[in-house]
Amino acid sequence: QVQLMQSGAEVKKPGASVTVSCKSSGYTFTNFGISWVRQAPGQGLEWMGWISAYNGKTNYAQKFQGRVTFTTDTSTSTAYMELRSLRSDDTAVYYCARDSNYYDPNWFDPWGQGTLVTVSS
Amino acid sequence: EIVLTQSPGTLSLSPGERATLSCRASQSIGSNYLAWYQQKPGQAPRLLIYGTSSRATDIPERFSGSGSGTDFTLTISRLEPEDFAVYYCQQYRGSPRTFGQGTKVEIK
Repeated sequence: QVQLMQSGAEVKKPGASVTVSCKSSGYTFTNFGISWVRQAPGQGLEWMGWISAYNGKTNYAQKFQGRVTFTTDTSTSTAYMELRSLRSDDTAVYYCARDSNYYDPNWFDPWGQGTLVTVSS
Repeated sequence: EIVLTQSPGTLSLSPGERATLSCRASQSIGSNYLAWYQQKPGQAPRLLIYGTSSRATDIPERFSGSGSGTDFTLTISRLEPEDFAVYYCQQYRGSPRTFGQGTKVEIK
């Protein structure tokens, strides 16, 4: 079955960077894109952007432009999200999710289990 | 940015009752660019509906979606105990993709 397995929880200091990985299995990785969505404690869902696993094309939400980078490693079917210059309000659960296709982010299914990133001094 | 507003914030119902959740967009998103997700505490969201009205794989028939333009609805025909959760709508007509703030369906 299709599964996305994310890396473990992280604790970072303000100003640091964090990288979250998302390993896919059960499907052809390059036929789809991966979106990244975060959820602050007790809050709703926020789309951060998308990367096509087919050609590496990215679409970042303007809020995160310049501070986030998405990459993929097709040899291991793994997507990565790097977020830099961390602030306390970046504390959240970060999810990866498979997009409906490789050329445009639409709906997301399935989702990884989530990675808690805590930013604290 | 397209803003999605969900109502009500909380819906208190009993098992077996019908649940009607609303999602309103700040501008028209057509008829095929809306998805719905279910999220239970401590779990990742799960896709229920895409394309406004198409059920995702293995989603029971009691879940249905409808709407067009700016007004969309998720209906749960008869609530089962496992349906008590938070539900989010999401649009993919404009960029950035956006979610509603969620509707919590709780046991009355």
